[in-house]
Amino acid sequence: GESVGLHLPTLSVQEGDNSIINCAYSNSASDYFIWYKQESGKGPQFIIDIRSNMDKRQGQRVTVLLNKTVKHLSLQIAATQPGDSAVYFCAENPQFPSGYNKLIFGAGTRLAVHP
Amino acid sequence: NAGVMQNPRHLVRRRGQEARLRCSPMKGHSHVYWYRQLPEEGLKFMVYLQKENIIDESGMPKERFSAEFPKEGPSILRIQQVVRGDSAAYFCASSPREGGYEKLFFGSGTQLSVL
Repeated sequence: GESVGLHLPTLSVQEGDNSIINCAYSNSASDYFIWYKQESGKGPQFIIDIRSNMDKRQGQRVTVLLNKTVKHLSLQIAATQPGDSAVYFCAENPQFPSGYNKLIFGAGTRLAVHP
Repeated sequence: NAGVMQNPRHLVRRRGQEARLRCSPMKGHSHVYWYRQLPEEGLKFMVYLQKENIIDESGMPKERFSAEFPKEGPSILRIQQVVRGDSAAYFCASSPREGGYEKLFFGSGTQLSVL
């Protein structure tokens, strides 16, 4: 079936460096992708999203890149801070734009930021 | 404006008992989702409800699991005769409207432990 998966289970970075978290998806018909951040003991928190008609979208310190040719998604975090330490999930909404939020989540990447 | 409220935060049950998980969506939100998260895995869709209606329960096991979202009061996820495999974090999310573009707001989850 369709799935969304990640290349790296853990990522350790130095404070101030840039972080790149990767995600592969298998459903080439998917049109909408979301990145979530989950801190310990909390629910997922929306970070940024991107539609398939875009290659890149920027937010505050975060950038999402979408490569539809190889079905690859990445999240870039600039000047990583200790508060960025969390598990990051990519998610796919195969029902976009109609329908509802029946999201397919990847397994997650744990980001550890060291001082 | 309080976020999505889930209780209890932690629930311990013995095999064969019943578990009742509660979710109060954000104020003004009438669409509720339940997701399950096993340790070190991404979230898995269980059920999508609107007030007094189950829209999609395709991710919920047919036996022992049920969900409701009454006209008044919180949404309830009920697990009868729990087994050890039901141990997981259960997250509720809400949105103000239907539509794949509507951002989901997640609660902090209920951690269910089955002894």
